[in-house]
Amino acid sequence: QKEVEQDPGPLSVPEGAIVSLNCTYSNSAFQYFMWYRQYSRKGPELLMYTYSSGNKEDGRFTAQVDKSSKYISLFIRDSQPSDSATYLCAMNPNTGGFKTIFGAGTRLFVKA
Amino acid sequence: NAGVTQTPKFQVLKTGQSMTLQCAQDMNHNSMYWYRQDPGMGLRLIYYSASEGTTDKGEVPNGYNVSRLNKREFSLRLESAAPSQTSVYFCASKVLMTDTQYFGPGTRLTVL
Repeated sequence: QKEVEQDPGPLSVPEGAIVSLNCTYSNSAFQYFMWYRQYSRKGPELLMYTYSSGNKEDGRFTAQVDKSSKYISLFIRDSQPSDSATYLCAMNPNTGGFKTIFGAGTRLFVKA
Repeated sequence: NAGVTQTPKFQVLKTGQSMTLQCAQDMNHNSMYWYRQDPGMGLRLIYYSASEGTTDKGEVPNGYNVSRLNKREFSLRLESAAPSQTSVYFCASKVLMTDTQYFGPGTRLTVL
């Protein structure tokens, strides 16, 4: 069983929809959680970073962590065609750790 | 500021050939990484260098060697390429004791 599970999709939604992307994990030691966005044929770039449980909001994006359920989510409000990308969750047990564990990524298509 | 650069962008090798993938960063980061990305597998860590002068194995180091040439440059060598090494290779860097990794654009390698 993988340490981090992520549905690969693809997920196709109409423009303006609310998108929910999720990851589950098995290691209760994970405390630092990240979401990276990867456009086609590009490298990943950090989108959101959260510590422990709770919510963090940045514009149209909200990251949510539920450590009791070992479940993290990324919500995208008012989705745009420019949000079409692969979204990878990532996590570390310690800040500054060298062995970040990445999910396989969910491919999102937002149709105009 | 170019960020993280990788060369070459594409490469086709025959089984048994060798090659070196080059990575350089101009952000004065201490730590550098090499990942491979395969469909359904996410990013898997091959090797990392916590700081200049050190290198360590990641999750999938077999068949690869690395050299941290200086603070800016971190190369990945395939001594005898195998079809199983067909993948997209990403280099990344980060500041020590932080979690945000900055990725290069990737090298798409095919081994026939």
